[in-house]
Amino acid sequence: DTGVSQDPRHKITKRGQNVTFRCDPISEHNRLYWYRQTLGQGPEFLTYFQNEAQLEKSRLLSDRFSAERPKGSFSTLEIQRTEQGDSAMYLCASSFGMTAGGRTGELFFGEGSRLTVL
Amino acid sequence: GESVGLHLPTLSVQEGDNSIINCAYSNSASDYFIWYKQESGKGPQFIIDIRSNMDKRQGQRVTVLLNKTVKHLSLQIAATQPGDSAVYFCAENMEGAQKLVFGQGTRLTINP
Repeated sequence: DTGVSQDPRHKITKRGQNVTFRCDPISEHNRLYWYRQTLGQGPEFLTYFQNEAQLEKSRLLSDRFSAERPKGSFSTLEIQRTEQGDSAMYLCASSFGMTAGGRTGELFFGEGSRLTVL
Repeated sequence: GESVGLHLPTLSVQEGDNSIINCAYSNSASDYFIWYKQESGKGPQFIIDIRSNMDKRQGQRVTVLLNKTVKHLSLQIAATQPGDSAVYFCAENMEGAQKLVFGQGTRLTINP
């Protein structure tokens, strides 16, 4: 399977614990995105990388959240001191980067990592 | 600010009928739009896109219509099948912007 893969698919944790999610993008894609999705809502942008550089972070990404893409390939999203409000599906997506028109183009999504904070 | 919203959070149609899913967007600077389909427990899957220099684009059994005057987007699915049951999102992007902004979604249910 050469699509975007995410791990773990499901994570249940107690409030206050740290969790880390991993995303492996499509290999030839240089852009990687993290989105968060709560029940019944559309995905909300969190952050994105161009190769290893983190170029934009949403205001949703509090200081408890940190994302890395150390070698420009896979990425990790860590949430420290989890809160019940962090319960959501965390989606990773990748793309080729900007199209000729300077747009981000189509995003290819993984299956997501569902976080439940008790 | 930027926002993409959807009319009718749920839509129920008979198998074989045509479905129309609507989307209203508020950012007049948006010039690229994508429809995504999301099945239960899965990530969003690309269906079709359209740029603002077009008002209609057709794919296999799907058609996207764009009305820039009223900032409205629609997805038409012909001869809906049980496999079309999912939540459908529209997403928008502005020239030079590096992310897609998603709406709330419409759940499409196909009745046998």
